[in-house]
Amino acid sequence: AQRVTQPEKLLSVFKGAPVELKCNYSYSGSPELFWYVQYSRQRLQLLLRHISRESIKGFTADLNKGETSFHLKKPFAQEEDSAMYYCALRNNAGGTSYGKLTFGQGTILTVHP
Amino acid sequence: EPEVTQTPSHQVTQMGQEVILRCVPISNHLYFYWYRQILGQKVEFLVSFYNNEISEKSEIFDDQFSVERPDGSNFTLKIRSTKLEDSAMYFCASSEYSAGYTFGSGTRLTVV
Repeated sequence: AQRVTQPEKLLSVFKGAPVELKCNYSYSGSPELFWYVQYSRQRLQLLLRHISRESIKGFTADLNKGETSFHLKKPFAQEEDSAMYYCALRNNAGGTSYGKLTFGQGTILTVHP
Repeated sequence: EPEVTQTPSHQVTQMGQEVILRCVPISNHLYFYWYRQILGQKVEFLVSFYNNEISEKSEIFDDQFSVERPDGSNFTLKIRSTKLEDSAMYFCASSEYSAGYTFGSGTRLTVV
């Protein structure tokens, strides 16, 4: 079974401070990991896919298969980064479960001025 | 940029009534999904749909739920007899093969 764990429900930092949102996963195959962001009850927006290895809005995330982690990092947080962040894993093994996303519980990030 | 469109944005219904939530996926996408987010909880998978049939459903997706793609563009979620615990935000999503998802803005369902 696939599982995603985000251990921190709430995370508060001050503007300009580094931020790291933790995500751990369990999955028997080769995972595809995502970070989604949800601003104030809006739609879920894709922030990062691990396979594209790009940086969006200054955020990066590296897949660590040894530690089964996909932590989201930003060196200098901004107030507009305040939002709910979800880590998600997609089943790419094929078959009937192909494409299903499993989400973590989410972390509410608050960046104080 | 193409979007997934969901209507209505908010629906209030009485317990026991039927509701239909509508979604227009991105036109060249082949995989369609419904997810649910109860207030304060995580986003949960409900059902995936491919090639005009359900490919997977969760234990939440019981007999009171059904999905349809009636006309090749809309993708609907029907809840036959709503319960209080069905109150949630319902998100539709679509994707191409092995590409990222695009989510709709959601329908907030309130059952009273």
